[in-house]
Amino acid sequence: DGGITQSPKYLFRKEGQNVTLSCEQNLNHDAMYWYRQDPGQGLRLIYYSQIVNDFQKGDIAEGYSVSREKKESFPLTVTSAQKNPTAFYLCASMGGQGGETQYFGPGTRLLVL
Amino acid sequence: RKEVEQDPGPFNVPEGATVAFNCTYSNSASQSFFWYRQDCRKEPKLLMSVYSSGNEDGRFTAQLNRASQYISLLIRDSKLSDSATYLCVVTYNQGGKLIFGQGTELSVKP
Repeated sequence: DGGITQSPKYLFRKEGQNVTLSCEQNLNHDAMYWYRQDPGQGLRLIYYSQIVNDFQKGDIAEGYSVSREKKESFPLTVTSAQKNPTAFYLCASMGGQGGETQYFGPGTRLLVL
Repeated sequence: RKEVEQDPGPFNVPEGATVAFNCTYSNSASQSFFWYRQDCRKEPKLLMSVYSSGNEDGRFTAQLNRASQYISLLIRDSKLSDSATYLCVVTYNQGGKLIFGQGTELSVKP
């Protein structure tokens, strides 16, 4: 089945630790996005990539890093510089027949211990 | 002022009711408009795109007023399964980022 997968579903981070969230898509979409959602709030854009080997900062990029070495993969690293990382992280992709529609993965919940 | 603002919720309605959500956006250069639905602790899913002429999909009707920079979603004959958070979304340029409203929660009661 075509779609977007994110792993893990839940992730626990210790103080001062970097963690990486996985996002993979087999929709052959060029563009991929990372969002953060806090309780009772909308989604805020962290980073996005419109093509392999290129990415741009979103509205809240500080404390995060990404890479886009393959079209299918767009991992997000939450670094120790991100002081309030507890949130629901959503990855999305867009392109092809879907036009401007973004399709989301199931998300990763990150909790700080 | 937020770029996309929605009616504060929650909306609590009985089954069979008609409910309307409103959304305003601040950037007149906004090009595309969408309503997404998000169930509790799940990812958002596209409900429908919003076209200038207005569009309908079964019990759902979306309308756009560019002059007033306003989008609406009407749900007729509400079902229990319509309970969710509805997110208003706008984009400014093709292939670019989406701007999400904070969402309006709907709870449909028996």
